[in-house]
Amino acid sequence: SQQGEEDPQALSIQEGENATMNCSYKTSINNLQWYRQNSGRGLVHLILIRSNEREKHSGRLRVTLDTSKKSSSLLITASRAADTASYFCATDYNQFYFGTGTSLTVIP
Amino acid sequence: GAVVSQHPSWVICKSGTSVKIECRSLDFQATTMFWYRQFPKQSLMLMATSNEGSKATYEQGVEKDKFLINHASLTLSTLTVTSAHPEDSSFYICSARDIANQETQYFGPGTRLLVL
Repeated sequence: SQQGEEDPQALSIQEGENATMNCSYKTSINNLQWYRQNSGRGLVHLILIRSNEREKHSGRLRVTLDTSKKSSSLLITASRAADTASYFCATDYNQFYFGTGTSLTVIP
Repeated sequence: GAVVSQHPSWVICKSGTSVKIECRSLDFQATTMFWYRQFPKQSLMLMATSNEGSKATYEQGVEKDKFLINHASLTLSTLTVTSAHPEDSSFYICSARDIANQETQYFGPGTRLLVL
């Protein structure tokens, strides 16, 4: 399978805490992207990091990429209850493969 | 921003029937569209890559005769689930890669299929 793996599978934190999710992948990439999905809904694009970039920020999101380890992390700072969702990484080369996902619950 | 539509948004059908799902890029052209299937509480699994004017590339384990993909224009790809069975019940999502910016993909809202 080309699918990447994310850990943890599930994460539960208190509002205001930071949440970190990790993604490992197997193939070469042009870029890696992070998405969120609320239960039973469509995908929301969060951030894209190119293969020649190591870190990127967008609001409360911070993404890192280590191509030598084929891994990426997503940090959500100062979490809110509204951040409760599933988060997926996706690798872009020719095909576009999603990771296994992390289910984040932020407790108010 | 760019929009990708899917039709229908949900469908219920009897076992043995065929169901066609449309994926349209509304305000951009897409040479490549992807079709995914998502089971409850699982990730999106890539089924096939659809290229305009050529045959789709299927992922390992996906039956091309069961999941027929047609990408006849730069704005439309269709997925037909032939002789659907209850195990085909799933959430089907398409995405379209913008021809003007290959880094950018836009996802459709998904089609929920229930086969009775």
